[in-house]
Amino acid sequence: QVQLVQSGAEVKKPGASVKVSCKASGYTFTSYDVNWVRQATGQGLEWVGWMNPNSGDTGYAQKFQGRVTMTRDTSISTAYMELSSLTSEDAAVYFCARWTAAHTFDYWGQGTLVTVSS
Amino acid sequence: IVMTQTPLSLSVTPGQPASISCKSSRSLLHSDGKTYLYWYLQKPGQSPQLLIYEVSKRFSGVPDRFGGSGSGTDFTLKISRVEAEDVGVYYCMQSVHPLTFGGGTKVEIK
Repeated sequence: QVQLVQSGAEVKKPGASVKVSCKASGYTFTSYDVNWVRQATGQGLEWVGWMNPNSGDTGYAQKFQGRVTMTRDTSISTAYMELSSLTSEDAAVYFCARWTAAHTFDYWGQGTLVTVSS
Repeated sequence: IVMTQTPLSLSVTPGQPASISCKSSRSLLHSDGKTYLYWYLQKPGQSPQLLIYEVSKRFSGVPDRFGGSGSGTDFTLKISRVEAEDVGVYYCMQSVHPLTFGGGTKVEIK
């Protein structure tokens, strides 16, 4: 069955960077784009960006341009999202999700809580 | 594109219907003829799960008590008979670039 398993919770200081991983299984990793969506505590969903695991092509929401980098390691079917220059406003649960031909997400990771605190 | 959901919350008696509205600031009808409007349910403590894609198509395994309708800028998710397992926050989403979500509608059981 399709699974996306994310790395564990992170605590970072303001100004630091965080790198979250998303390991895919149950399907061909390079056949589906991986997107990242975040959710601040008690808030709604916010799209961060996408990556094509086959080509490595990426696209980021304008809000995160210059601060976010999405990469992958196809040998271990894992996608990564790195966010730099963290502020308290970046504290959130970050989800990876598989993008389908129907232009939406069908499977999601369990989420990774990122806490930003001095 | 701004997605506006109403109501913010809904308290429903089991077995009764529920309806959630989602309005977009621009038409979601793409030049390819498809309308990229989706509905998700995020149950407490869980990741979002896809319910409806392209306005009205139920995702695999979604009960037929869930139905989506609408066109252009106005869309509705209807639950014909709410069950206890339907509690959570419902989000609409559009995927005309850049992708955006509605603010969510919390559904509770009376």
